[in-house]
Amino acid sequence: EPEVTQTPSHQVTQMGQEVILRCVPISNHLYFYWYRQILGQKVEFLVSFYNNEISEKSEIFDDQFSVERPDGSNFTLKIRSTKLEDSAMYFCASSVVGDNSPLHFGNGTRLTVT
Amino acid sequence: AQSVTQLGSHVSVSEGALVLLRCNYSSSVPPYLFWYVQYPNQGLQLLLKYTSAATLVKGINGFEAEFKKSETSFHLTKPSAHMSDAAEYFCAVSESEGAQKLVFGQGTRLTINP
Repeated sequence: EPEVTQTPSHQVTQMGQEVILRCVPISNHLYFYWYRQILGQKVEFLVSFYNNEISEKSEIFDDQFSVERPDGSNFTLKIRSTKLEDSAMYFCASSVVGDNSPLHFGNGTRLTVT
Repeated sequence: AQSVTQLGSHVSVSEGALVLLRCNYSSSVPPYLFWYVQYPNQGLQLLLKYTSAATLVKGINGFEAEFKKSETSFHLTKPSAHMSDAAEYFCAVSESEGAQKLVFGQGTRLTINP
């Protein structure tokens, strides 16, 4: 069965550094998402992406965050200048278009900011 | 605004016993409701979803959930627990029919005792 793959599984970075989290969605999916889960807290929506543009974003997704689909397969989340509070598990997900189709999630990238 | 409350961050049952994981939601419009499961070191996997077709929804691995509008609940049940059911379970709600901006509950960790 096709899977959403995320790399790396664990990323450690220093405060103020830029990080890029990578995702390869399922090939025939057209909606892409990032969610995050701070340790001990709820899974939170960050952003959805469709037709090469952001379709919706949350309040968390400020100017420090950006997403990109640089080629036909990858979907990336960039954090420009990481803060300690960005430490979390980041989940990528994808879905086909419409009809309330379910999200398929990757295994996540654990980001640790020191 | 939508919200989801899962009663009980930890639930422990014996193998073969009934599993009941509680979820209450708040939504200003008829909601779409989901249960996801997360096994250790894996992503979120869809168990089942409610999209107004039927109030009793059957999912994978023998799980089912019943939508009760009067109680704003969507509790997850399984008649007989297996050791392999040990995982974290998340209830989520969405108001949108297209892009899946899911609002998650805080999760319930299910432990199965032999």
